[in-house]
Amino acid sequence: GESVGLHLPTLSVQEGDNSIINCAYSNSASDYFIWYKQESGKGPQFIIDIRSNMDKRQGQRVTVLLNKTVKHLSLQIAATQPGDSAVYFCAENREAGTALIFGKGTTLSVSS
Amino acid sequence: DSGVTQTPKHLITATGQRVTLRCSPRSGDLSVYWYQQSLDQGLQFLIQYYNGEERAKGNILERFSAQQFPDLHSELNLSSLELGDSALYFCASSVDPSPGNTIYFGEGSWLTVV
Repeated sequence: GESVGLHLPTLSVQEGDNSIINCAYSNSASDYFIWYKQESGKGPQFIIDIRSNMDKRQGQRVTVLLNKTVKHLSLQIAATQPGDSAVYFCAENREAGTALIFGKGTTLSVSS
Repeated sequence: DSGVTQTPKHLITATGQRVTLRCSPRSGDLSVYWYQQSLDQGLQFLIQYYNGEERAKGNILERFSAQQFPDLHSELNLSSLELGDSALYFCASSVDPSPGNTIYFGEGSWLTVV
């Protein structure tokens, strides 16, 4: 079935490096995408979102890139910090009235 | 703090029993969502309500049911519990179901079935 997935289950980086977390989606009709961060024992926390009529959106230390041609989404974290260690999920909201569909997540580990 | 409140935070119960999980959405949010997260699994969408009405259904078992009350709080009822129902259950809320409205998650209710 159609789903949102992530390329890698884990990513390990050094503090200060830039991190790139990737996500592939299969439904070309999806028009809204979100990245969430989930720390251990906590609920998912909204990071950044992007509509399908954009290909890039920047936040504080984070950038989301959307490539609709290959149905690929990525989250870039600049100057990764130990506090960024968490599981990152991409999710899609295909249309009004439907709920977010999540991928399995990428665990980001940041070492000092 | 997302503003979404879930109770209880932890719950241990035996197989065959029934439990109710409660959720208060963020002030002003009319849409409520329930998700299940099992160990090493992603978030599985269960059900969505908007202003008291069921809006969408996901992978929710027939043993599970939910409702949203006039004051907008929601309850997820899990019955005839099995060991495999042990999971973290999240409630989330948004202003309305339209894409582009941020969906905020609560801290979850840990359910352990023994």
